[in-house]
Amino acid sequence: GAGVSQSPRYKVAKRGQDVALRCDPISGHVSLFWYQQALGQGPEFLTYFQNEAQLDKSGLPSDRFFAERPEGSVSTLKIQRTQQEDSAVYLCASTQGSGGNEQFFGPGTRLTVL
Amino acid sequence: TQLLEQSPQFLSIQEGENLTVYCNSSSVFSSLQWYRQEPGEGPVLLVTVVTGGEVKKLKRLTFQFGDARKDSSLHITAAQPGDTGLYLCAVDPNSGGSNYKLTFGKGTLLTVNP
Repeated sequence: GAGVSQSPRYKVAKRGQDVALRCDPISGHVSLFWYQQALGQGPEFLTYFQNEAQLDKSGLPSDRFFAERPEGSVSTLKIQRTQQEDSAVYLCASTQGSGGNEQFFGPGTRLTVL
Repeated sequence: TQLLEQSPQFLSIQEGENLTVYCNSSSVFSSLQWYRQEPGEGPVLLVTVVTGGEVKKLKRLTFQFGDARKDSSLHITAAQPGDTGLYLCAVDPNSGGSNYKLTFGKGTLLTVNP
């Protein structure tokens, strides 16, 4: 079966541009997570959805970061007015239940801000 | 201060050698997970340990959770080039152990040379 997919796989943006990163979770998975992984670091939690509800956005680094999951399936992470420090791999993960389950990760989107 | 300290940060060995990597913390956790991340991919769950002193084996990989549930180790016997990757430990720092808001260590980057 299909795993978690993310698009684009690579994105180059000029500083100040807006970007949108897409995540398609495993079909039927209730929970969806976004993580940011800087070079040489482990993933860091950004935000968590249960169906269409964003239950935790405490990891979003600034108000330039916005995530949505309007129909409880596909999710989009939007970054406005990108800065060089936003350069990282953005990982999406999904789980079947609402917590305590294995998180299945997508391959990530590598964002480079010039 | 990192919640999880992983060591060593880098490890390069020859095929057939044994190795151990560590994940340490001053905090107590209800469970701990180990992931492997290959280049250009998302992390993949290897194991979850939940009981102090627990030992789990996955083929040539042996995972141990410390008695006090503050630390863990991963031992690989007769390493193969296919074991190459970034090994990450992760916990849910919330005492409820919901396992949705994972905190990762920085990882150990293992290279196994043929």
